[in-house]
Amino acid sequence: DAGVTQSPTHLIKTRGQQVTLRCSPISGHKSVSWYQQVLGQGPQFIFQYYEKEERGRGNFPDRFSARQFPNYSSELNVNALLLGDSALYLCASSLGAGNQPQHFGDGTRLSIL
Amino acid sequence: RKEVEQDPGPFNVPEGATVAFNCTYSNSASQSFFWYRQDCRKEPKLLMSVYSSGNEDGRFTAQLNRASQYISLLIRDSKLSDSATYLCVVSGNQGGKLIFGQGTELSVKP
Repeated sequence: DAGVTQSPTHLIKTRGQQVTLRCSPISGHKSVSWYQQVLGQGPQFIFQYYEKEERGRGNFPDRFSARQFPNYSSELNVNALLLGDSALYLCASSLGAGNQPQHFGDGTRLSIL
Repeated sequence: RKEVEQDPGPFNVPEGATVAFNCTYSNSASQSFFWYRQDCRKEPKLLMSVYSSGNEDGRFTAQLNRASQYISLLIRDSKLSDSATYLCVVSGNQGGKLIFGQGTELSVKP
């Protein structure tokens, strides 16, 4: 069975641009969460979506937005990119929205020049 | 104070050694606890969930002390393949939010 898949793998953007990252959860998983990981730190929670509704939001500015589609895949959008947005963006899926283990994709490595 | 704090690393140990990682968390309402491992430039992978009664999976033993808000991970007979960063993870107030510690790097040497 396929695990969590994310695209693209790597991305290079310049300041002020916009980016869309994509994620497909493990088959049967209805919840998708997004995390940002900068070098030397643990992942930081951005959003959780369950059954196409936002269930949680971390301490990130409104430039960050996301949505979940009927097939449970998800997109993370970041507008007006800043140098500080350079990070590994991880998507994780789980069966439900509660406190259960989440399984991560390989991530999208975003570099802002 | 950080929500989840781990031992600063790195830990450098010889093969066969026993190594222990410690973690404290600030939110007494947290319900779920996990250890993840992350290899260099890879995604975090679930190592094990942590239960109040303590649990073991082969060479790995996890303990939880809710009163002290303390979590531990013990690795016995460490292997070269155990070299990775170990992340202590606690559930947050929001549904599926996971709060990660900064990670402790382990390097097992021959």
